[in-house]
Amino acid sequence: DVKVTQSSRYLVKRTGEKVFLECVQDMDHENMFWYRQDPGLGLRLIYFSYDVKMKEKGDIPEGYSVSREKKERFSLILESASTNQTSMYLCASSLRDRTSRGTMNTEAFFGQGTRLTVV
Amino acid sequence: AQTVTQSQPEMSVQEAETVTLSCTYDTSESDYYLFWYKQPPSRQMILVIRQEAYKQQNATENRFSVNFQKAAKSFSLKISDSQLGDAAMYFCAYRSAMGNTPLVFGKGTRLSVIA
Repeated sequence: DVKVTQSSRYLVKRTGEKVFLECVQDMDHENMFWYRQDPGLGLRLIYFSYDVKMKEKGDIPEGYSVSREKKERFSLILESASTNQTSMYLCASSLRDRTSRGTMNTEAFFGQGTRLTVV
Repeated sequence: AQTVTQSQPEMSVQEAETVTLSCTYDTSESDYYLFWYKQPPSRQMILVIRQEAYKQQNATENRFSVNFQKAAKSFSLKISDSQLGDAAMYFCAYRSAMGNTPLVFGKGTRLSVIA
């Protein structure tokens, strides 16, 4: 059974704190993603990584950074948490492309989400 | 850049009836994948159905089917014999077939099922 695990389901942090959200996948996927989900806005991409130590900015990277030191782990860092970063954060992983393992495994698999509240 | 539009923020359907959720997308690519994801109150995103753009045949998964119109860039989801457990947020998503690309999501449609 494939699995993407996020370290916390609920998190409450104070303004100005440095916050780490951790994500681990056990599927040997090359790609990993961090999305932010807000009502009425859908899922917006913060950062993604297609290989160890590689990262690409998504649509809303401001105020965030990421780290991928190992293939299975992708961390999202809020350098100085602010109240406008209160949101649901979703981690996902996927295969890099269809040529590596066929056409059927192209979707992203998601973690259970972390609801972060910054007070 | 690719965009995905879901024009129906909310929909409702009577139990056992059929409902269709709309999705349109914009891309200049010819090879890509389209997905419908379901997010129930548990928040876990679940893949409902996928479609490869190079396949003309519409994908089906039990009570779920799609109407894929490549020229019109339309990808609607039909749920037949709706059940109470189908109540959820539904997201349409696009992924380029070129490697190292993320999924692009629409804003979602909240589906309610009325008993």
